[in-house]
Amino acid sequence: GDSVTQTEGQVALSEEDFLTIHCNYSASGYPALFWYVQYPGEGPQFLFRASRDKEKGSSRGFEATYDKGTTSFHLRKASVQESDSAVYYCALGDPSGSWQLIFGSGTQLTVMP
Amino acid sequence: DTTVKQNPRYKLARVGKPVNLICSQTMNHDTMYWYQKKPNQAPKLLLFYYDKILNREADTFEKFQSSRPNNSFCSLYIGSAGLEYSAMYLCASSSGLGGYAEQFFGPGTRLTVL
Repeated sequence: GDSVTQTEGQVALSEEDFLTIHCNYSASGYPALFWYVQYPGEGPQFLFRASRDKEKGSSRGFEATYDKGTTSFHLRKASVQESDSAVYYCALGDPSGSWQLIFGSGTQLTVMP
Repeated sequence: DTTVKQNPRYKLARVGKPVNLICSQTMNHDTMYWYQKKPNQAPKLLLFYYDKILNREADTFEKFQSSRPNNSFCSLYIGSAGLEYSAMYLCASSSGLGGYAEQFFGPGTRLTVL
């Protein structure tokens, strides 16, 4: 079945460091790919989406590029801030139309001042 | 207002007792979802309503029930709680297809079954 893999369970950085969180997916066709962010005490929030090969999604300084060749949608930010500390989820929109959003297991980002 | 509300935020239940969780949204979204989230695991879709039509996942079909009395409200019902039901339950809503549309999540209800 369709799946999403986030290899980093936890990432610890200092302010102004460069961030990469890896996301790989397995699905047929062209699924929509998402990044969601969850701050403590809140539900996940939509960050951005991409739905075709080579499309770049971006928001709040974060960006990711849909790469069908490597089945990846890695999250990047050039300079992280302490306020970026949160859990980041990569997700895949089921292309079969079953309306299901399939999440990765999440990556806890901690940014130290 | 893009808020999804959930009540209660914390719920303590005894094994074998029923549990009822409530979710509301005022965005007039046609679709509402319930997810179960356990530590170090991905959120898992339990069921969703598209308008008045309920869709339940095959592996959770008999464990969870739901109702949607109107467009704004949706409940999640566990008839007899077991220890394995301890988790965070997230409600979400969207306008349009969940596989492509942005979903708006509530803060969650943390259920502890003892």
